[in-house]
Amino acid sequence: KQEVTQIPAALSVPEGENLVLNCSFTDSAIYNLQWFRQDPGKGLTSLLLIQSSQREQTSGRLNASLDKSSGRSTLYIAASQPGDSATYLCAVPPAGNEKLTFGTGTRLTIIP
Amino acid sequence: AAGVIQSPRHLIKEKRETATLKCYPIPRHDTVYWYQQGPGQDPQFLISFYEKMQSDKGSIPDRFSAQQFSDYHSELNMSSLELGDSALYFCASNLGDRGRNYGYTFGSGTRLTVV
Repeated sequence: KQEVTQIPAALSVPEGENLVLNCSFTDSAIYNLQWFRQDPGKGLTSLLLIQSSQREQTSGRLNASLDKSSGRSTLYIAASQPGDSATYLCAVPPAGNEKLTFGTGTRLTIIP
Repeated sequence: AAGVIQSPRHLIKEKRETATLKCYPIPRHDTVYWYQQGPGQDPQFLISFYEKMQSDKGSIPDRFSAQQFSDYHSELNMSSLELGDSALYFCASNLGDRGRNYGYTFGSGTRLTVV
């Protein structure tokens, strides 16, 4: 059974700093990995999708990497802003089974 | 661009009542997924449909049922509601080429409160 873990569970950093969120998964047989952002009580917004054949994806100040063999992904946020404050979730669909398994999430707070 | 539409956004029901949540996927997406997210928890998979047939089932109570219609919209029916059913219910859709996955798009969710 796929298990997805995110470290740290919560993170507070001053505005302007670069930061890294970590995601690890136990079964490396995945189609892809997707990072989402969730504001309190709101829906899930897709940030980045990395296919299993890719090593990284970039969108603006966000960069996500994927190392399938070690079962890890990182989300790098450059020059953080207060508007980045949210919970960040990574999720994977195991190969041959397409329902998403979510990580435990990292609650990020950017301090102005 | 069109997104996944869920209705209603908020719903308040009493215990033992019935609720119906609706989901309209992105046009041409053939797969719909339902998730339940309790307070402070990550989303838990309930059930999914591919081409109007149930494709997978997660931790969905027997009191819940769902279906996907010919226009690909889906409905989650919840009966004999309990206080513990209070949660955010998300619908997601994707275009599932069985050999490749193009990512999931989630709706804004329905917040169900059972009182």
